[in-house]
Amino acid sequence: EVQLVESGGGLVQPGGSLRLSCAASGFTFSGYSMHWVRQAPGKGLEYVSGISSNGGSTYYSNSVKGRFTISRDNSKNTLYLQMGSLRPEDMAVYYCARGGYTVTSRMDVWGKGTTVTVSS
Amino acid sequence: QSVLTQPPSASGTPGQRVTISCSGSSSNIGSNTVDWYQHLPGTAPKLLIYSNNQRPSGVPDRFSGSKSGTSTSLAISGLQSEDEADYYCAAWDDSLNGWVFGGGTKLTVL
Repeated sequence: EVQLVESGGGLVQPGGSLRLSCAASGFTFSGYSMHWVRQAPGKGLEYVSGISSNGGSTYYSNSVKGRFTISRDNSKNTLYLQMGSLRPEDMAVYYCARGGYTVTSRMDVWGKGTTVTVSS
Repeated sequence: QSVLTQPPSASGTPGQRVTISCSGSSSNIGSNTVDWYQHLPGTAPKLLIYSNNQRPSGVPDRFSGSKSGTSTSLAISGLQSEDEADYYCAAWDDSLNGWVFGGGTKLTVL
């Protein structure tokens, strides 16, 4: 079964850091681009970041550029999102999603999300 | 404010046909294909339509998508109570070099 399971969410103070992980199973992880998408309370889906299948290309929304870093370990079938200088507006459910061969292809498998709370 | 524009809400009665619109610009919908997602709060979003009008396996043919220029729409025929959810359009944006989503449309089945 193709599956994505996020972890690492929690409560963090403004200005703090957090690393999210997404464990993939049931498919050849190294063959797919991967993405992070978030949903703030009461808001819609917002694209956060994406990474190519070999990790050589990364993409960020303007709202997180310079503060978040996406990476992947294809030997561990795991996607990461290192979040720094966290702000209250970063509070959201963070979903990882499987892309296609290229980052511009559809996100066809999603995890159930992990919740990040930014509060003092 | 979202880059892609959707109506915040839509509604219909069981069996009815409902259409949800999504408009963008030349840098996103105008030059790339569109995907649609169905999302129930607390669950994983589900790919409903990809490449403007293609259905992944398992998605009923009651769901269809179309695109014209910088606009796209999702149609749901034979509306069922289980279709009550939030629906999002999405496309790659060549100017932003990333994905953009619509603000979402909450579908209510009356």
